[in-house]
Amino acid sequence: GAGVSQSPSNKVTEKGKDVELRCDPISGHTALYWYRQSLGQGLEFLIYFQGNSAPDKSGLPSDRFSAERTGGSVSTLTIQRTQQEDSAVYLCASSLDPIGGAQYEQYFGPGTRLTVT
Amino acid sequence: GQNIDQPTEMTATEGAIVQINCTYQTSGFNGLFWYQQHAGEAPTFLSYNVLDGLEEKGRFSSFLSRSKGYSYLLLKELQMKDSASYLCAVRVDRGSTLGRLYFGRGTQLTVWP
Repeated sequence: GAGVSQSPSNKVTEKGKDVELRCDPISGHTALYWYRQSLGQGLEFLIYFQGNSAPDKSGLPSDRFSAERTGGSVSTLTIQRTQQEDSAVYLCASSLDPIGGAQYEQYFGPGTRLTVT
Repeated sequence: GQNIDQPTEMTATEGAIVQINCTYQTSGFNGLFWYQQHAGEAPTFLSYNVLDGLEEKGRFSSFLSRSKGYSYLLLKELQMKDSASYLCAVRVDRGSTLGRLYFGRGTQLTVWP
């Protein structure tokens, strides 16, 4: 079946504008994760969804960042009043339910490259 | 916090064997994953270990020692297409957060002909 898809693939925006990044996980994957990858840095966890709930938002860097997931499927990451330091590749990953310690790999989407000018 | 270390860069020649090390200090450990990432592409899963020992999958093997907080990825019979960044990631389960991965910065492997 189809893998994880993200849109847009590239986004250039002016400082201060809002942006929305979309993730379509693999069908049937209940767990969804957002990560950010900055140049020379490792992947940085942002938020975790189990179904439509986000039990862990601890990775969101500021209150300008928010995310939601609807229908246990599509997720949207919104960045308000973008800053230059928000420039990075935003990656989404999904997996089967990791409950009980079950080990399932995370499948990553191709990412959205965000550039804030 | 979590601390995951791996070398920044490595080089090797085609046909050779290379070992990429990863050390970690975490709480709530529940498995270690290796991902491969080609430039401009998404990370793809290579292997995972949750128990001590060696897991072999074709040309790739991964080893884990939980007591030492140490893992390595072994790549045999290197090919040019193996040139990529290799990411070590530790899974931490804590409270209601399951499956959260903490990544190292990645090891950029260059394979020369």
